[in-house]
Amino acid sequence: EDQVTQSPEALRLQEGESSSLNCSYTVSGLRGLFWYRQDPGKGPEFLFTLYSAGEEKEKERLKATLTKKESFLHITAPKPEDSATYLCAVQAAGNKLTFGGGTRVLVKP
Amino acid sequence: DSGVTQTPKHLITATGQRVTLRCSPRSGDLSVYWYQQSLDQGLQFLIQYYNGEERAKGNILERFSAQQFPDLHSELNLSSLELGDSALYFCASTRLAGFSTDTQYFGPGTRLTVL
Repeated sequence: EDQVTQSPEALRLQEGESSSLNCSYTVSGLRGLFWYRQDPGKGPEFLFTLYSAGEEKEKERLKATLTKKESFLHITAPKPEDSATYLCAVQAAGNKLTFGGGTRVLVKP
Repeated sequence: DSGVTQTPKHLITATGQRVTLRCSPRSGDLSVYWYQQSLDQGLQFLIQYYNGEERAKGNILERFSAQQFPDLHSELNLSSLELGDSALYFCASTRLAGFSTDTQYFGPGTRLTVL
């Protein structure tokens, strides 16, 4: 069964203090790894898709990387508006996404 | 705004009752996915429909059912509701059936509270 574990569960950062979120996965035949951002009471908002080990993608202050066993989401010089829960999900055989528990990020000014 | 719409936003009902949640996918998308998000379980896949037909099933209870209509909107029916069914229910859509790694775009969700 596909498994996704995210760490840490929660992260408190000062504005400008860079950090990384981890997503470890166990899956047979990874087809894609997805990162989403979710604000309280809202639907997940798509950030990135990574397909193969070594791939990297960037968007503003966020950079996602992928290895054969894990993915990292790096937040560079975060701002308070980056506060959210960041979700990692894998897609293997079939169509469903298997999500991790998420990392709650709070950026204080 | 993802382009996926869900109604209602909030639903409060009593145990034993039945409710229907509605989802309209993004324009041109043929696949609809339903997910449940509770505090202790996180986001869990329930079921997928593609162009009116059931395509994949996840951890969906027998008390729950779904369908996709010819105009491609989908409904999730929850019956004999229990306190533990209180959760956020999300719908997502993709253009294809999912054989490629289509990005799933999520709607704003329906918050169900069972009292």
